[in-house]
Amino acid sequence: DIQMTQSPSSLSASVGDRVSITCRSGQSISSYLNWYQQKPGTAPKLLIYAASNLQSGVSSRFSGSGSGTEFTLTISSVQPEDFAVYYCQQSYSTPLTFGGGTKVEI
Amino acid sequence: QVQLVQSGAEVKKPGASVKVSCKASGYTLTNYNINWVRQAPGQGLEWMGWISGYDGERKDVQKFQGRVTMTTDTSTGTTYMELRNLRSDDTAVYYCARSSLSMWFDFWGQGTLVTVSS
Repeated sequence: DIQMTQSPSSLSASVGDRVSITCRSGQSISSYLNWYQQKPGTAPKLLIYAASNLQSGVSSRFSGSGSGTEFTLTISSVQPEDFAVYYCQQSYSTPLTFGGGTKVEI
Repeated sequence: QVQLVQSGAEVKKPGASVKVSCKASGYTLTNYNINWVRQAPGQGLEWMGWISGYDGERKDVQKFQGRVTMTTDTSTGTTYMELRNLRSDDTAVYYCARSSLSMWFDFWGQGTLVTVSS
């Protein structure tokens, strides 16, 4: 199984801050990396697929980069609605696996 | 619009089985897979497996083999996930989620809380 490790596990930010979250995989996964946002009591929402592609309808302040084993999700200017937990997921091979999550809080 | 609507919350005793449904609409069902992802209270996301909307092929995680069955009723567009021999650590919210062969999850059901308690 491919292990996915996110850092940090939590971070504090203020509205307008630039925030970056890192996801590392236990082996190379090329660009088969996806990012989700989850707010309390709701299902996850796809933000970025294939490392750097913005899902339709998602704000352009979200961006993704990386390939191989290291990936980054960046929020260019954090807004109040962005406070949530973010997960990475590899789609390189089954079993599909997720990172442990990063909580972005005020 | 794409919708995945799941069945309601369940409370089960250890050793029992649960069957969660996920009704899909708003897209061509044969073009996508339905995946099952669970989330224990306060924990992260765990992929359980998928079933192909095209031919019913299934793939599930080894840790669940022998306990989980995924099926689809093509006449109603409803996919089912049955988990048997429930344990307390199966208590979780169970989500269905759509994916193509690219295996990212672009639409999700609302989740079904399954509580296992004696």
